[in-house]
Amino acid sequence: DVKVTQSSRYLVKRTGEKVFLECVQDMDHENMFWYRQDPGLGLRLIYFSYDVKMKEKGDIPEGYSVSREKKERFSLILESASTNQTSMYLCASSAYGGFSDTQYFGPGTRLTVL
Amino acid sequence: KQEVTQIPAALSVPEGENLVLNCSFTDSAIYNLQWFRQDPGKGLTSLLLIQSSQREQTSGRLNASLDKSSGRSTLYIAASQPGDSATYLCAVVRVDNYGQNFVFGPGTRLSVLP
Repeated sequence: DVKVTQSSRYLVKRTGEKVFLECVQDMDHENMFWYRQDPGLGLRLIYFSYDVKMKEKGDIPEGYSVSREKKERFSLILESASTNQTSMYLCASSAYGGFSDTQYFGPGTRLTVL
Repeated sequence: KQEVTQIPAALSVPEGENLVLNCSFTDSAIYNLQWFRQDPGKGLTSLLLIQSSQREQTSGRLNASLDKSSGRSTLYIAASQPGDSATYLCAVVRVDNYGQNFVFGPGTRLSVLP
């Protein structure tokens, strides 16, 4: 079975802090994705990556950056956390084909920014 | 801009009933459509993926159909069980000038009562 893990289930940070959310997949998948999920807005794509050191902006990249130095790991970085970044963050991976293949999701990280 | 809606927003049925969840999208230029389930506080689990050239996919008690021309998909769940209680999300792979992207619907929250 594909396993996607996220470094924390719950995280509380203060405004202005630099925040790292880590995601690791164990199936040698090419593609990895970061989403945020908010009540009433659903899931929205922040960034995705087709390969190591490759990244593409999604619908809402502002305030975020990403890093993919190794195939299995995709990091989401909040350079200076703000209260409007309080959300559930979901990481996903897929084998190939960009968005045309089944995505496998991690359990999510619920981030609260005070 | 692709928009995805799901009806109903919430549904409560007694165990054993057959039920249908609906998903609509505004732009028929899609690569595929996926149905996911999300349990409270957890990530998403992919249920079915329908390519744009397909009309339906089946997995166990689940059957998903796709009608691109009318911008609709349905998820049929046969003989519902309490374990089916979850939020069901549909997502379409959008094609635009920037490539592919995933657009999620807001979800239908299903409760199956024993």
